[in-house]
Amino acid sequence: KQEVTQIPAALSVPEGENLVLNCSFTDSAIYNLQWFRQDPGKGLTSLLLIQSSQREQTSGRLNASLDKSSGRSTLYIAASQPGDSATYLCAVLNAGNMLTFGGGTRLMVKP
Amino acid sequence: DAMVIQNPRYQVTQFGKPVTLSCSQTLNHNVMYWYQQKSSQAPKLLFHYYDKDFNNEADTPDNFQSRRPNTSFCFLDIRSPGLGDAAMYLCATSSPGTGVTSSYEQYFGPGTRLTVT
Repeated sequence: KQEVTQIPAALSVPEGENLVLNCSFTDSAIYNLQWFRQDPGKGLTSLLLIQSSQREQTSGRLNASLDKSSGRSTLYIAASQPGDSATYLCAVLNAGNMLTFGGGTRLMVKP
Repeated sequence: DAMVIQNPRYQVTQFGKPVTLSCSQTLNHNVMYWYQQKSSQAPKLLFHYYDKDFNNEADTPDNFQSRRPNTSFCFLDIRSPGLGDAAMYLCATSSPGTGVTSSYEQYFGPGTRLTVT
């Protein structure tokens, strides 16, 4: 059974810092990995999708990497802003269309 | 804009009173999912449809049922809601994509927050 772990569970940084969120998974037989953002009481917004054959994806200040063999992904946020404050969820897609989520990292960016 | 729509956004029901949550999509995706998310927890998959093929997760309670009458709509029926069913219910869609690279990127709706009194 796939298990996804995110470290740290919570993170507080001053505005402007670069930061890294970590995600690890136990079964490397994945189709893709997605990073989501969730604001309190809201749905999930897809940030980046990395196919199993890819190593990284970039969107604006966000960069996500994937090392499938070691079961790890990182989300790099450059020049963090207070508007980046949210919960960030990592999820992997296995056979059977099943998306398994990590527990999330709650990010607070202080002005 | 193509999107995933959930109605209502907030639903209050009484203990034991059946309730139906709805999801519609304009993305023309062939896969639709229902997730349950409790406070401070990750979303948990309840079931999904691949076209008309229904796939139930092994640990989804029988109290939860789903219907997909056509490509665009999917419903979540909770037959006898208990206090433990109070949660955010998220609908998502995906598609294999086109070309050589498979996608299955999942797109989520805004969710329906269910309160059971």
